[in-house]
Amino acid sequence: GAGVSQSPSNKVTEKGKDVELRCDPISGHTALYWYRQSLGQGLEFLIYFQGNSAPDKSGLPSDRFSAERTGGSVSTLTIQRTQQEDSAVYLCASSLSSGRETQYFGPGTRLLVL
Amino acid sequence: ELKVEQNPLFLSMQEGKNYTIYCNYSTTSDRLYWYRQDPGKSLESLFVLLSNGAVKQEGRLMASLDTKARLSTLHITAAVHDLSATYFCAVDIKTYDKVIFGPGTSLSVIP
Repeated sequence: GAGVSQSPSNKVTEKGKDVELRCDPISGHTALYWYRQSLGQGLEFLIYFQGNSAPDKSGLPSDRFSAERTGGSVSTLTIQRTQQEDSAVYLCASSLSSGRETQYFGPGTRLLVL
Repeated sequence: ELKVEQNPLFLSMQEGKNYTIYCNYSTTSDRLYWYRQDPGKSLESLFVLLSNGAVKQEGRLMASLDTKARLSTLHITAAVHDLSATYFCAVDIKTYDKVIFGPGTSLSVIP
């Protein structure tokens, strides 16, 4: 079956512009996560959605970052007024029913802010 | 403070050698995951360890979990170049309904 998909795969933008990154989780997965991975670094947790519960936004680095999940499926991560330090790979993952299960990762979106 | 540490962070080893990667964590947990990330790729699940004393093996990799010591190991036997990747452990935190990832161990197997 289809895995987690993300779009775009690559995004180059100018400093100060807004960007939207999209994640399509595996069908039927109720949990969805966003992570950020800078070059050669580990995973930085950003935000976690679980079903209809309020999302865990504890990892969002600033108020320029926001995310939503519509209809319990597709999620969009928005970065406003991008900065050069936002350049990274943004990974989305989903799991079947809770944050405590195996996560299935998408291929990531590589964001470069010039 | 919730903390997941991996040791070493960087590992260069020769083909045919054995080595162990360690993952230790600071809070109670009874479930732990290992993931692999190839260069330029995303993460793939390797193992899920569901209880104290759990051991899983796949090819040249074997993972174990000691919940009392708050320690998991990933043992590599007779390394081959194809194992070159970054390996992440992730610790299940029941209280927070999520997992915390370690910083990753970058493994390079040299012919």
